[in-house]
Amino acid sequence: GDSVTQMEGPVTLSEEAFLTINCTYTATGYPSLFWYVQYPGEGLQLLLKATKADDKGSNKGFEATYRKETTSFHLEKGSVQVSDSAVYFCALSPRGGYQKVTFGTGTKLQVIP
Amino acid sequence: GAGVSQTPSNKVTEKGKYVELRCDPISGHTALYWYRQSLGQGPEFLIYFQGTGAADDSGLPNDRFFAVRPEGSVSTLKIQRTERGDSAVYLCASSKGQGAYEQYFGPGTRLTVT
Repeated sequence: GDSVTQMEGPVTLSEEAFLTINCTYTATGYPSLFWYVQYPGEGLQLLLKATKADDKGSNKGFEATYRKETTSFHLEKGSVQVSDSAVYFCALSPRGGYQKVTFGTGTKLQVIP
Repeated sequence: GAGVSQTPSNKVTEKGKYVELRCDPISGHTALYWYRQSLGQGPEFLIYFQGTGAADDSGLPNDRFFAVRPEGSVSTLKIQRTERGDSAVYLCASSKGQGAYEQYFGPGTRLTVT
């Protein structure tokens, strides 16, 4: 079945540092890929998405590129802020829809001033 | 507008008891999803409704779990004969419809079975 593997946390960075959270996936066909974020005390929110190979999703300074050849969707941000502290989930769903999203285990990011 | 709401926010029950968890989706959203998130894990799909019918219930772990959405809006997740292993955060999400629509998540219900 479909699965998502992401790097374990927690990840602790100083403010303005570069962030990479690795994510790889296993799926049949061409799934849609997502990054969700869960801020402390809040519900899950969609951060960005990509629906086909070589697409780049971006939002709030975060980016991720759908790499079919390496089955990866790594999350990056050039300069993190304290307000980016949260848990980040990589996820996928079958092509053409958002149904039955399969999530990774989450990576906790802590940004210190 | 109002987001997805879930009640109760916390539920503590004894092993063997029956519980019901409620989800109120965003108004007008026809698709509704239930997920379960165990400690330190990502959410795990349980069931997906399109309208009143369960379009995919392949994630329900066993027949103690059941969900309904009788009028195509509010949904209730029902768990019979609860076990300690059922302890988790139960998340509900809704979306505009079938297809490539974003899922909007509620805050979850934290279920603790003692």
